[in-house]
Amino acid sequence: GIQVEQSPPDLILQEGANSTLRCNFSDSVNNLQWFHQNPWGQLINLFYIPSGTKQNGRLSATTVATERYSLLYISSSQTTDSGVYFCAVERSRGGYQKVTFGTGTKLQVIP
Amino acid sequence: NAGVTQTPKFQVLKTGQSMTLQCAQDMNHNSMYWYRQDPGMGLRLIYYSASEGTTDKGEVPNGYNVSRLNKREFSLRLESAAPSQTSVYFCASSDYRDFDSPLHFGNGTRLTVT
Repeated sequence: GIQVEQSPPDLILQEGANSTLRCNFSDSVNNLQWFHQNPWGQLINLFYIPSGTKQNGRLSATTVATERYSLLYISSSQTTDSGVYFCAVERSRGGYQKVTFGTGTKLQVIP
Repeated sequence: NAGVTQTPKFQVLKTGQSMTLQCAQDMNHNSMYWYRQDPGMGLRLIYYSASEGTTDKGEVPNGYNVSRLNKREFSLRLESAAPSQTSVYFCASSDYRDFDSPLHFGNGTRLTVT
């Protein structure tokens, strides 16, 4: 099956710093999403981005499908950004029957 | 708009007991999913329902059964709980007909089997 690798596995930032999280995948995909799991365990969809670039406030994401990677940028980090960031991919169009999640990047933002 | 609602939030079972996890979505989505999350394993699909009236096994279905009660509700049943089923369970939904529809997750159920 498709392999999804996220880096770095752990990251500690000072509040206000910027960071880039990476997601590499081993095969072409039709679906790619970034999720944030907050310290209370809630999984929040950040971006649906199988290709191209999207921005939402201090967060942006870029997927280069031909090179099989996606990047999540966090600018001016805040303590509320702490948690685990997951990348999830699927090859089929429509539905998430065979979605593969990466093992996540655990981010801690310290004041 | 509540999105995806799961109950209960926490549950402790003894080995051999049974229980049903409930999930409901109010986004009129066709597809619903049950995942489990274990430390270091990411999320793994247990069962899914592409549309009302259909259910199929995912990656880790053993020990579970599901019911798609109607378009809104998708329940997960543990007939005889085992310690290996200690996990956090997430329900999710998406619009199967919309290829650009993202996954929406509930807040999870933390299950401990002793």
